[in-house]
Amino acid sequence: KNEVEQSPQNLTAQEGEFITINCSYSVGISALHWLQQHPGGGIVSLFMLSSGKKKHGRLIATINIQEKHSSLHITASHPRDSAVYICAVMIPQTSGSRLTFGEGTQLTVNP
Amino acid sequence: NAGVTQTPKFQVLKTGQSMTLQCAQDMNHEYMSWYRQDPGMGLRLIHYSVGAGITDQGEVPNGYNVSRSTTEDFPLRLLSAAPSQTSVYFCASRRGLADTQYFGPGTRLTVL
Repeated sequence: KNEVEQSPQNLTAQEGEFITINCSYSVGISALHWLQQHPGGGIVSLFMLSSGKKKHGRLIATINIQEKHSSLHITASHPRDSAVYICAVMIPQTSGSRLTFGEGTQLTVNP
Repeated sequence: NAGVTQTPKFQVLKTGQSMTLQCAQDMNHEYMSWYRQDPGMGLRLIHYSVGAGITDQGEVPNGYNVSRSTTEDFPLRLLSAAPSQTSVYFCASRRGLADTQYFGPGTRLTVL
């Protein structure tokens, strides 16, 4: 079983809809990242959080450490939000820490 | 700042050939990493470095070598390419363990 599981794998929405992407993990972590991978392949970091909630524009990320769960919300979705959204967790190790990635959620927003 | 740069953008190799994927960053970041991305799988860590002169293996290191002679550069070497190494390779850097990771644009490698 993967240490990081995302759902859904694929999501299609109409412009303006509220979108939620979920991430569950099975190990102790020091931080969780949400990344966006554009159709052209580039990867951009959206959020890094270790507790609570962060907001940037129409994007909101939340994390519940006790439940080992995080959500990424997109309000008033737009076709330009179409991308793969990737959850990654930072797992502490003896020497430093390592990032483990989910498989990603492919989001398509139709006009 | 250019951020994280990678060259080449695309590469086709024959089985057994060697090559080096270049990665450079101009943000004075200590931490640099190489990942590969394959369909149906998340990004997987190949090698990483926590500073000049220090490298360590990640999840899938076999068939790859790295070195970190300067803070800026972190090349990835394929010693004898195999079809299983066909993938998209991303280099990334960050200032510290708790900081945002910045990704390069990726190198799409095909091994025939």
